[in-house]
Amino acid sequence: AQKITQTQPGMFVQEKEAVTLDCTYDTSDQSYGLFWYKQPSSGEMIFLIYQGSYDEQNATEGRYSLNFQKARKSANLVISASQLGDSAMYFCAMREGNNAGNMLTFGGGTRLMVKP
Amino acid sequence: EAQVTQNPRYLITVTGKKLTVTCSQNMNHEYMSWYRQDPGLGLRQIYYSMNVEVTDKGDVPEGYKVSRKEKRNFPLILESPSPNQTSLYFCASQLRAMGVSLSTDTQYFGPGTRLTVL
Repeated sequence: AQKITQTQPGMFVQEKEAVTLDCTYDTSDQSYGLFWYKQPSSGEMIFLIYQGSYDEQNATEGRYSLNFQKARKSANLVISASQLGDSAMYFCAMREGNNAGNMLTFGGGTRLMVKP
Repeated sequence: EAQVTQNPRYLITVTGKKLTVTCSQNMNHEYMSWYRQDPGLGLRQIYYSMNVEVTDKGDVPEGYKVSRKEKRNFPLILESPSPNQTSLYFCASQLRAMGVSLSTDTQYFGPGTRLTVL
């Protein structure tokens, strides 16, 4: 079974509107971390936001917020007031608590395209 | 500026010619890791290091070697590259090897090295 599922291969959003990128995860660990990374066409992997499994508040970082629903095992990324520079691939990732290698497991990604 | 650097950023080489991709971080991070990214396969971990002189295999270690002689450097060595190692490679570092919190748990990635093996 996929540990991280991103069901939206591609999305369009109008500039200045908000957009939600979906992510569901599968783990039996109680302790885990969830991440979102942005990969622009230049290729680098940019950390956006983090949510720990024990964090009670949803994480926020500027225009990014994470809608964490633990019971549903979902960790959707919300980008408010989209900008043209937000056009990129977005990856959801998870690190499980008993993962000795600290390996991040990535989803397949969502390509976001912001329309002017 | 806190960062992870990789060199070279782009490399085209031929089968069998040994190469090294360097990775360096200036954040005093304990943990470092190498991933490769391939279309349809996502990012997969190659090797990781929990601290100096402590390295271990990730999901796809075949054909690669690493070393961690200093905390800041974690080079990836391809002794005899083959075309199936053509990929985009990322080095990442993390403050602490263990821990689940924003400060300790977040992996920061280098800019990537695009390798083509002919």
